[in-house]
Amino acid sequence: GDSVTQMEGPVTLSEEAFLTINCTYTATGYPSLFWYVQYPGEGLQLLLKATKADDKGSNKGFEATYRKETTSFHLEKGSVQVSDSAVYFCALSSSGSARQLTFGSGTQLTVLP
Amino acid sequence: DARVTQTPRHKVTEMGQEVTMRCQPILGHNTVFWYRQTMMQGLELLAYFRNRAPLDDSGMPKDRFSAEMPDATLATLKIQPSEPRDSAVYFCASGLWQGGTGANVLTFGAGSRLTVL
Repeated sequence: GDSVTQMEGPVTLSEEAFLTINCTYTATGYPSLFWYVQYPGEGLQLLLKATKADDKGSNKGFEATYRKETTSFHLEKGSVQVSDSAVYFCALSSSGSARQLTFGSGTQLTVLP
Repeated sequence: DARVTQTPRHKVTEMGQEVTMRCQPILGHNTVFWYRQTMMQGLELLAYFRNRAPLDDSGMPKDRFSAEMPDATLATLKIQPSEPRDSAVYFCASGLWQGGTGANVLTFGAGSRLTVL
C-alpha cells in the first residue's frame, strides 16, 4: 500500500538557516505529491505540490522536486524565518488509493531568532 | 477566501456522553474527510465521503463512531458513548475530486478539540 516516510523531528534552526526536511514515498502508479503545513492551533494548509516526475513545487520560498528515481520529495528553504515555525506534513495522492491522501507523520520545525 | 467551517472549536465532556461535531465543506467540493490528530498517533483518517456517499470508514471504530452527510452542506461525526481515549483534535477537510491522476488538494477546517474526562 501507499506510504510516506518523513524525517523525524523536532528540527530546531536559527533564523536565516537552510532547511531540508526529507520525505520518501511508496505508491502504486504515479502519485501526486504534496507538502502541507500546520501552524499552532490551526488546520493543515497546502504549501506546495507536484503532479509528475521532475516537477518542482514552490511557494513562500519553499521548494520541493518530485524525484521518481529516488521516490523522494524533500522540502527545502534557503533562509528560514521565525514565522516558519510549524509542523510540516509530506503527503501523496494516488489514483489507486481510495483514501485519496496518505500523510507522513509530520516534522515539527522551530526557528529561533 | 472559501473555508471549511467546523463546530464546536472546543468541547469538554464527560465519559459516556454523546458528542457531535459538525463540518460545513466548501461549496462545490464533492469530497469530505474526517481526520483525528493526536500526539501519539499523528493524523489518522476516520472517514471519507464522495458526493455524500461514504467510501471509506475503515479507520473509524464502528461501535461508537458514526459519520454522515445529511446534505451537501453538512457533515457530522458522532461519538456515542465517548471515552477518554477519544480526546483529540478532529479535522474535517473538503476537496474537489475530478478523477484522473488524483491530484486533489484538500482544504482543512480549523479543527474541533475534544476532551473527554
